[in-house]
Amino acid sequence: QSALTQPASVSGSPGQSITISCTGTSSDVGGYNYVSWYQQHPGKAPKLMIYEVSNRPSGVSNRFSGSKSGNTASLTISGLQAEDEADYYCSSYTSSSTHVVFGGGTKLTVL
Amino acid sequence: EVQLVESGGGLIQPGGSLRLSCAASGFTVSSNYMSWVRQAPGKGLEWVSVIYSGGSTYYADSVKGRFTISRDNSKNTLYLQMNSLRAEDTAVYYCARGGNGYSYEVWGQGTMVTVSS
Repeated sequence: QSALTQPASVSGSPGQSITISCTGTSSDVGGYNYVSWYQQHPGKAPKLMIYEVSNRPSGVSNRFSGSKSGNTASLTISGLQAEDEADYYCSSYTSSSTHVVFGGGTKLTVL
Repeated sequence: EVQLVESGGGLIQPGGSLRLSCAASGFTVSSNYMSWVRQAPGKGLEWVSVIYSGGSTYYADSVKGRFTISRDNSKNTLYLQMNSLRAEDTAVYYCARGGNGYSYEVWGQGTMVTVSS
């Protein structure tokens, strides 16, 4: 099962907005509204930021938002803050026998 | 407090076996779907396995036939039995509780498995 495709890195200045893309196929991202996004700081466990494409768990800042168009999902972070610097991973349900597939991850640098 | 605590990692020779444990508190393992997700050093997340509340299990192709996920309801603990270990299985192994829409809403701190001679 191939991983979902994410850009290796993105960067932005404090206060700006950035978007991270996550491209799959009609068997995963495009076929289901089951895309999730995770934030991972170095040496820490991942943290769920978005589920079901655009829903935020309780406690997650509304600066984080998700969307999807066709086979590509996106995570947008507005009003960038230094603490947002981390790795971000998307995941999706997949109709393959593995059920869940992750993206390769995107390193966000806050300049 | 909802919490997951993994244990059982360590250094193991290629071809060896290891059993990882994930003790849950604050919720019932058997009422949720639970997964193992691993992360090789400097690499991304890789989904490994899932066990649903009904008992169905699924595996990544890379571990199918070598790894077995299970749970002990009396101990509220999730397990991952890993056999025929390979160097490429070296990773931090996280257990995670499933949430809405095949997301993972609770994660453990991870346990490191190193396969090397």
